Amino acid sequence: GAGVSQTPSNKVTEKGKYVELRCDPISGHTALYWYRQSLGQGPEFLIYFQGTGAADDSGLPNDRFFAVRPEGSVSTLKIQRTERGDSAVYLCASSSNRADTQYFGPGTRLTVL
Amino acid sequence: AQSVTQLGSHVSVSEGALVLLRCNYSSSVPPYLFWYVQYPNQGLQLLLKYTSAATLVKGINGFEAEFKKSETSFHLTKPSAHMSDAAEYFCAVKSGGYQKVTFGTGTKLQVIP
Repeated sequence: GAGVSQTPSNKVTEKGKYVELRCDPISGHTALYWYRQSLGQGPEFLIYFQGTGAADDSGLPNDRFFAVRPEGSVSTLKIQRTERGDSAVYLCASSSNRADTQYFGPGTRLTVL
Repeated sequence: AQSVTQLGSHVSVSEGALVLLRCNYSSSVPPYLFWYVQYPNQGLQLLLKYTSAATLVKGINGFEAEFKKSETSFHLTKPSAHMSDAAEYFCAVKSGGYQKVTFGTGTKLQVIP
C-alpha cells in the first residue's frame, strides 16, 4: 500500500517568508508526527497528533511554528517569518496506534536563503 | 527522560566483514528500541524494533540487535557486510507513555570493496 507522502520534496524560500509543508499519512493511521532533521543530526521531535488534536507539541522550537490536522488525516506544518536556521529536512511519520511503529515519509528539504 | 548515544559517527568495514554499530540508551521505564536506516536523499526505513519480547531481534536485510538491560545497550550487527549496506543508521528509543521517539545522532556505515 501507499506509504507516507510529503509535499513538496524541496522548498526554497527567502528569510522572512511563510511556508507550508504537507504530510499525507498512511491511510487509517490515527497518529501523526513531525520531526526536523538538521545536517549531520538525527531527527528531532516537533509535534504529535492523535486524531485531530495535538497531543504533544513540546518539540516546536518557538511560536513561529504551528501544525494542524483538521480532519485527522492530512497535516500541514506552518512556519512563519522563516529564518536561515530553519533550514533542515522536515520528516513526517504516522502509526496505527500509540504503541505501534512510526513509518516515515521521504521528507521535505527546506532551504531558507 | 530518554536519550540515545551512538558511539562512532562513521564506521568503515570491508565487504564480507562483521558490521557492529553501537547504541546505548537511557530510559526511566522499560523502553521500546528501534534501528532505522537512511539511504541518501531518502526517508527513514525501519530495520528492526524491540518491544519487550525476545531480547534478540531479527530485522530486514540480515541485521539483528540484542537488547541488554544490564548494559543499557542495543547494538546492531550483521555477520557479513554488503556494498548495499552503505547508509546512515539511527538508533532510537521510545519510553512508556511518551509518544515521541528520541533518535541518536546516527552512524554512517561505509563498506569497502
